[in-house]
Amino acid sequence: GEDVEQSLFLSVREGDSSVINCTYTDSSSTYLYWYKQEPGAGLQLLTYIFSNMDMKQDQRLTVLLNKKDKHLSLRIADTQTGDSAIYFCAEGSGNTPLVFGKGTRLSVIA
Amino acid sequence: DVKVTQSSRYLVKRTGEKVFLECVQDMDHENMFWYRQDPGLGLRLIYFSYDVKMKEKGDIPEGYSVSREKKERFSLILESASTNQTSMYLCASTRQGALGNTIYFGEGSWLTVV
Repeated sequence: GEDVEQSLFLSVREGDSSVINCTYTDSSSTYLYWYKQEPGAGLQLLTYIFSNMDMKQDQRLTVLLNKKDKHLSLRIADTQTGDSAIYFCAEGSGNTPLVFGKGTRLSVIA
Repeated sequence: DVKVTQSSRYLVKRTGEKVFLECVQDMDHENMFWYRQDPGLGLRLIYFSYDVKMKEKGDIPEGYSVSREKKERFSLILESASTNQTSMYLCASTRQGALGNTIYFGEGSWLTVV
């Protein structure tokens, strides 16, 4: 079945850039997503990218997609303490449920 | 604002008890989902439903059942709770045919089985 892999932990200093990486197996994925989960809360959509795009930028967030290698990354510029959270990569097509990675816990050190 | 409401945020139940986790959404969404979230395992899909009275098994349905009698409400049932079902449970909903950019999650229900 489909699988989404991402590293479990990332630690960065405040003001640096964070890069969270994700690999997926389903080449038919139509959209790829990044969700953010703050402590004690549900998941909130951060951004998404259509599979025919290479890059998407939204303020401090940059998503890069390498479809050949099935690799997705999320770059957060000027990382702040409020960015500390768990970040989930997910892939999906059509009406089927999304497949989520295990989540990367981002810790920002002041 | 779209809301997915999970009525119980924190529950403590005894082994063998029957447990109901309720989820209500107010956007007339057709699709509803139940996930459990465990450290290091991420989100795992338990059950989902595309319409009233319809249900589909997800990746880990064992030990769970669901009920969708009304469009807005999707209940997760643990017939006989066990300690390995201690977890955080997340409900989500989305429109029919929608892709992930319109999936909305509840705040989660923390269940401890002792």
